[in-house]
Amino acid sequence: SAVISQKPSRDICQRGTSLTIQCQVDSQVTMMFWYRQQPGQSLTLIATANQGSEATYESGFVIDKFPISRPNLTFSTLTVSNMSPEDSSIYLCSVTLINVEGYNEQFFGPGTRLTVL
Amino acid sequence: GNSVTQMEGPVTLSEEAFLTINCTYTATGYPSLFWYVQYPGEGLQLLLKATKADDKGSNKGFEATYRKETTSFHLEKGSVQVSDSAVYFCALKNSNTGKLIFGQGTTLQVKP
Repeated sequence: SAVISQKPSRDICQRGTSLTIQCQVDSQVTMMFWYRQQPGQSLTLIATANQGSEATYESGFVIDKFPISRPNLTFSTLTVSNMSPEDSSIYLCSVTLINVEGYNEQFFGPGTRLTVL
Repeated sequence: GNSVTQMEGPVTLSEEAFLTINCTYTATGYPSLFWYVQYPGEGLQLLLKATKADDKGSNKGFEATYRKETTSFHLEKGSVQVSDSAVYFCALKNSNTGKLIFGQGTTLQVKP
C-alpha cells in the first residue's frame, strides 16, 4: 500500500490569493493524480502529473488556474491560483501502485479542505 | 460517455440493519468497478472491486456483484455497525484511459 500525506490539511483563504498544496508519497510512483471534491459532489479529476513531463489536464481545467509541479517520483504540488469562493473544495492527491495481491490499485491522500472567503 | 450514478443519501440505519446502496453505470468497453469508502476525516480507501461481469467483490462484510445485464454494482451488507458510518463512492475505471470516474457518493449513518 501507499502512505500519502498532504499539506495543509485545511486552509481558509481570501479571494484573489493562491494556495499551494503539497502531496508526499512514501513510494516512488510514475503517475500522480489531483482530484477536486466540491461540496456535496463527486470527485472530479483535475490533472495527471507525470514526473519529468508536463501535467495533462482534464476538460474544464487549465494550467494557469491549477499549475502543477512534479519534481521527483515521490512529490507533487497543486496550486490553486487567483482563488474565488467557487474554488472551495477538498483537493485530493492520488497514486496508482501494485498492491499486495499484485493488482494496480489507486490510493488517495487525506485531502486538503479549502475554503475561500 | 462513461458515468456512474448512485442512490442519493443520506442513508440512516439502525445497527444490525441490512444495507443496500444502489449504483448503476454507463460505459463503453469493459470497465472495472469499485466501491471506495471515506471515513470521517480520512482519505478514500478501496473497499472492494470487480473486474469482469458476474465477479463478486467482498470485504469487511460488504459485497457487490458486477451485473452487466443491468449495468449495476450495488453495495450490500447484511448487518451494519456504527463504525460503518462513512461516505461510500461507486466508481468505474475506463478500460481505454485507465481513469477513475466516481459517482456522487452516498452518506451512510448508522445509529446504535
